[in-house]
Amino acid sequence: DVKVTQSSRYLVKRTGEKVFLECVQDMDHENMFWYRQDPGLGLRLIYFSYDVKMKEKGDIPEGYSVSREKKERFSLILESASTNQTSMYLCASISGSPHEQYFGPGTRLTVT
Amino acid sequence: SQQGEEDPQALSIQEGENATMNCSYKTSINNLQWYRQNSGRGLVHLILIRSNEREKHSGRLRVTLDTSKKSSSLLITASQAADTASYFCATEDNAGNMLTFGGGTRLMVKP
Repeated sequence: DVKVTQSSRYLVKRTGEKVFLECVQDMDHENMFWYRQDPGLGLRLIYFSYDVKMKEKGDIPEGYSVSREKKERFSLILESASTNQTSMYLCASISGSPHEQYFGPGTRLTVT
Repeated sequence: SQQGEEDPQALSIQEGENATMNCSYKTSINNLQWYRQNSGRGLVHLILIRSNEREKHSGRLRVTLDTSKKSSSLLITASQAADTASYFCATEDNAGNMLTFGGGTRLMVKP
């Protein structure tokens, strides 16, 4: 069965802290994505990756970086967390055609 | 980037009634997908409709696609309290495998 897992369901961090959000998929998918979801704004793409060590900026990459050292793992990094990064973060991977995205359960991050 | 936009933003109905949600998008697509998100959880893929299809069924779900109007609708028949969730449409463009989502429709089914 398809599975995408995220390292934490809930996370509370202080302003200025470095934050790592990890995502692992067991489907051998090449494409992985990080989104944030905020009320009224829907899902917004932060970064995506088409292959190991490959990354592309999405619509709102500022304040974030990513790492894809292994095919199954895609990490989102907040170098210096800020309160406006309080959000729900969703990781996803995508199958071959037709392209269906499989989502993790999400990490609700609060930055105080 | 293109954007799917759902309408209405929120919908409250009685159990047993049908629920219809609409999605509009801006540019040509390869396919359109509907997702459900229960409160505090991740997204679950419901149904995919390709650009050359007009209607698709899956259980109590019926999806239509009108590429001339750049719109899609999701109909949930005989709604149940368990259908209470947010529903999102997402579009995959012709260039590749990117999906963009709208803000979602929040559906509440009252028992």
